[in-house]
Amino acid sequence: GAVVSQHPSWVICKSGTSVKIECRSLDFQATTMFWYRQFPKQSLMLMATSNEGSKATYEQGVEKDKFLINHASLTLSTLTVTSAHPEDSSFYICSARAAGRRNTEAFFGQGTRLTVV
Amino acid sequence: AQSVTQLGSHVSVSEGALVLLRCNYSSSVPPYLFWYVQYPNQGLQLLLKYTSAATLVKGINDFEAEFKKSETSFHLTKPSAHMSDAAEYFCAVSEAGNQFYFGTGTSLTVIP
Repeated sequence: GAVVSQHPSWVICKSGTSVKIECRSLDFQATTMFWYRQFPKQSLMLMATSNEGSKATYEQGVEKDKFLINHASLTLSTLTVTSAHPEDSSFYICSARAAGRRNTEAFFGQGTRLTVV
Repeated sequence: AQSVTQLGSHVSVSEGALVLLRCNYSSSVPPYLFWYVQYPNQGLQLLLKYTSAATLVKGINDFEAEFKKSETSFHLTKPSAHMSDAAEYFCAVSEAGNQFYFGTGTSLTVIP
């Protein structure tokens, strides 16, 4: 099956610093990537949808200046949490959709546990 | 608009017993339906999916789900629970090429 690699799997950072999370599709071209946030014991909340080469579409209530998304190539999308604060601590998950016959399925990364201290 | 409802945020079964996790959906178009499993601090792993082919879908680890259009349901079952099945399970609905809508999840506990 298709593999999506997310890095890092966990990160601890100081309040006020920025953190970048990478999401790579290893064996397919991801025309669309999704970024989710998951709070403990809760479901996934879609933050934004990104298409390669264009600006991301953010869900209502998600600060686009705080959560910068770049989808520069068909295999890489990045999420940068800028000026992180403790309330940004969460589990972030990316998923990728391929063009063509795999388009019905999204493949998920392993997730990134962000802790802001 | 699409949405997913998972009845029962917590389900407990004895090892070897039947597992039944419920999922109902709403969709204005024929949906694609998915079940994912999540282990602690990990991403989501696809168990099975329905994409308008056979209504009874078989997935990994002996899981299966039946698409019932009349009931707008896509319940997940497994004949015999194993300790390793303890995890969080998410039902999701999607249109091809669009985003996924997830249910709130069901935490499955397997009692030895």
